Amino acid sequence: GAGVSQSPRYKVAKRGQDVALRCDPISGHVSLFWYQQALGQGPEFLTYFQNEAQLDKSGLPSDRFFAERPEGSVSTLKIQRTQQEDSAVYLCASSRRETGELFFGEGSRLTVL
Amino acid sequence: SQQGEEDPQALSIQEGENATMNCSYKTSINNLQWYRQNSGRGLVHLILIRSNEREKHSGRLRVTLDTSKKSSSLLITASRAADTASYFCATDAATGGFKTIFGAGTRLFVKA
Repeated sequence: GAGVSQSPRYKVAKRGQDVALRCDPISGHVSLFWYQQALGQGPEFLTYFQNEAQLDKSGLPSDRFFAERPEGSVSTLKIQRTQQEDSAVYLCASSRRETGELFFGEGSRLTVL
Repeated sequence: SQQGEEDPQALSIQEGENATMNCSYKTSINNLQWYRQNSGRGLVHLILIRSNEREKHSGRLRVTLDTSKKSSSLLITASRAADTASYFCATDAATGGFKTIFGAGTRLFVKA
């Protein structure tokens, strides 16, 4: 596709469930970022990939959060044993280079009950 | 943590007026970007200014950068109701990894 695609757009999980959020970046984009955005706040950095290498995961809030990009294209953000505080919009962005303009997906809105 | 802080947090103006938003950041940067986000949507890139640039224009947008004060401003001239959105500044640090860090944003409301 022409843009960054994220799925699902909406996810409701019961506390304790595992969830997986998918990001399809723009073809050929080297860099991929995951952000968490709480209501009324700016995006908070979670993790960064350059091709398949996860070069920065300093923003992941706990070891319940795990991200992968095994073939340097599609990425999955997995949250284990979800908690209510995990409720947020998870944004994926890709970029042609290491820095510069980011192209964002529409986000996956996670609600943990 | 968020590197940038936007000011004001919210801004309400009449259509046709200019809107100015400010951003301050903490560390040395390679570049600074401004993004726009409509409610419930992803962010859209507006403009990028490099650390060695002082001013940049794109259509009705004007961005300034003062690296000595670690601050930037975004001016939207002749605002339209369709400009209603949240605006975020984002910085790429000169050192310390590959993060692009966003501020908390300014919520702009343009009244028709």
